[in-house]
Amino acid sequence: AQKVTQAQTEISVVEKEDVTLDCVYETRDTTYYLFWYKQPPSGELVFLIRRNSFDEQNEISGRYSWNFQKSTSSFNFTITASQVVDSAVYFCALTLNQAGTALIFGKGTTLSVSS
Amino acid sequence: KAGVTQTPRYLIKTRGQQVTLSCSPISGHRSVSWYQQTPGQGLQFLFEYFSETQRNKGNFPGRFSGRQFSNSRSEMNVSTLELGDSALYLCASSPQTGWGWGNTEAFFGQGTRLTVV
Repeated sequence: AQKVTQAQTEISVVEKEDVTLDCVYETRDTTYYLFWYKQPPSGELVFLIRRNSFDEQNEISGRYSWNFQKSTSSFNFTITASQVVDSAVYFCALTLNQAGTALIFGKGTTLSVSS
Repeated sequence: KAGVTQTPRYLIKTRGQQVTLSCSPISGHRSVSWYQQTPGQGLQFLFEYFSETQRNKGNFPGRFSGRQFSNSRSEMNVSTLELGDSALYLCASSPQTGWGWGNTEAFFGQGTRLTVV
């Protein structure tokens, strides 16, 4: 069975602090895809990144960076110099190639950034 | 380019009633997926429709059903509503089904907040 675990339910930081959101996944498939989505109070999920199982290259996008490690089945997300606008719920998700577009989500991590 | 549109945004229904939610995907997208979000269970996949056919189904009772029209718009229906069906229902659209066809992400709507009383 496939599963995504986000052990951190809530994280509170002060602006300009760096913060890492953890994501651990489980699957026996060799081909899979991992995602991070952000959910602001408006409700819609905003896509942040997608990573394929065969591409372990880490990625940086502005203040955001992702560390994908197949050896530990982790796909962690780091926000550098956090800002108040980063406050949201962040979801890590897993999907298999043969599962259509069905996403298996973790329970999410609520990030609160105070000024 | 218009995003994913879900209607209505808010809905209050009584136990035992049925409800129909609508999702209009991004123009040109042929895959529509539905998710239920609750505080207890989180985000759970309901089903996916692609080219008017149900492609995949999550672990939900038969009271939850859906369909897709030739213009890719989708509806989901919940019959005999229970209090536990109160949730945010999110719809996502993608150009294709699966991730080997150039799909890069699923685009989500703002959801329909259903409250069952």
